Amino acid sequence: EADIYQTPRYLVIGTGKKITLECSQTMGHDKMYWYQQDPGMELHLIHYSYGVNSTEKGDLSSESTVSRIRTEHFPLTLESARPSHTSQYLCASRPGGFSEAFFGQGTRLTVV
Amino acid sequence: DQQVKQNSPSLSVQEGRISILNCDYTNSMFDYFLWYKKYPAEGPTFLISISSIKDKNEDGRFTVFLNKSAKHLSLHIVPSQPGDSAVYFCAASAQGTSGSRLTFGEGTQLTVNP
Repeated sequence: EADIYQTPRYLVIGTGKKITLECSQTMGHDKMYWYQQDPGMELHLIHYSYGVNSTEKGDLSSESTVSRIRTEHFPLTLESARPSHTSQYLCASRPGGFSEAFFGQGTRLTVV
Repeated sequence: DQQVKQNSPSLSVQEGRISILNCDYTNSMFDYFLWYKKYPAEGPTFLISISSIKDKNEDGRFTVFLNKSAKHLSLHIVPSQPGDSAVYFCAASAQGTSGSRLTFGEGTQLTVNP
């Protein structure tokens, strides 16, 4: 059983609001990722981190930001939510190259 | 550009028969390949993986085949069960690049009919 948790599972929020999606893992993995996924589409990498104080933007342009102050915690923040941000957000962690990535249950975000 | 492609958006099979899901990739630096299963509103769960030094890996009902020369991999599920109905994603990574990120295909919706 993977020990990676995302909260909230579902969120409906109004346009212009600031939101933070939480992601925590207890496996001590250095590498963490945020993906965005819409139905019928691939998972798009939006942010990743090699370790504490290291964050990089992924392949898909995103207006979100991330931080990595502690190994176990990798929150994603949207300063001003818009309807175009409506999607499923998936957090993952991975111990190394030749290993699986463990995913959280995801956050389904709806911006109205 | 799409480095990992799953050209079949959907596949329907009868219970007990074999399911074959296909995946193609373009990046020759990829050296590790994975298959994930995903239900709506949940995160992907890992099924099976294979490194580029192998051409086959088997785990119970699941077998993954890798053809490096064709840049193609496939997932075989036999026998298929109704509980296997889900979206299956192929993913690939390259050692030492960009945080060992996983690059995903678009997914194939598998439906196993009783």
